[in-house]
Amino acid sequence: AQSVSQHNHHVILSEAASLELGCNYSYGGTVNLFWYVQYPGQHLQLLLKYFSGDPLVKGIKGFEAEFIKSKFSFNLRKPSVQWSDTAEYFCAVNDVNRDDKIIFGKGTRLHILP
Amino acid sequence: DAGVIQSPRHEVTEMGQEVTLRCKPISGHNSLFWYRQTMMRGLELLIYFNNNVPIDDSGMPEDRFSAKMPNASFSTLKIQPSEPRDSAVYFCASSLSAGGPGEQYFGPGTRLTVT
Repeated sequence: AQSVSQHNHHVILSEAASLELGCNYSYGGTVNLFWYVQYPGQHLQLLLKYFSGDPLVKGIKGFEAEFIKSKFSFNLRKPSVQWSDTAEYFCAVNDVNRDDKIIFGKGTRLHILP
Repeated sequence: DAGVIQSPRHEVTEMGQEVTLRCKPISGHNSLFWYRQTMMRGLELLIYFNNNVPIDDSGMPEDRFSAKMPNASFSTLKIQPSEPRDSAVYFCASSLSAGGPGEQYFGPGTRLTVT
């Protein structure tokens, strides 16, 4: 069965620090990959997605993610975080050859200190 | 577009009562998903529909949970009887699936508290 692992459950950074959130998935076939963000008290919204093509994907608010197929990874990065980036971040994967179900990781809570 | 609409936004009920959560997906979307979010288990997919047909309900916890999608613009998730461990935020999401999963748009969620 597919699964998604997010290594860090809780990350605390100061403003302007660089961010990298790890995400690994366990499926050997072709996948679609997503990062969703959930700001405090709000619903999930899409940050970025990878379907095919350039493995370096740029999303909203200065976020990017790199798909490394050999490592089954899709880490999220941002060079300089802001206080407003405080949120929970979810990595998710979909099996291209199966159906539309997306498997979410357990999330990483990011807290940015002003 | 109004986005995915869920009602009620908050529900407090007593153990044993029936709870019905409602969802109106984005017009034109053909897939609908019900999720449950708790601190302990994170975000869990309960069931999803494609073209109003349930495709995968393997995440539904037990027979107390049921979901329907009578038409393309409405879905319900029912819990009968409810238990305190059902307390969670329930999200509905919809997407347009065309040869692959589209971006899922989430509703604001229903915060359910069962006492």
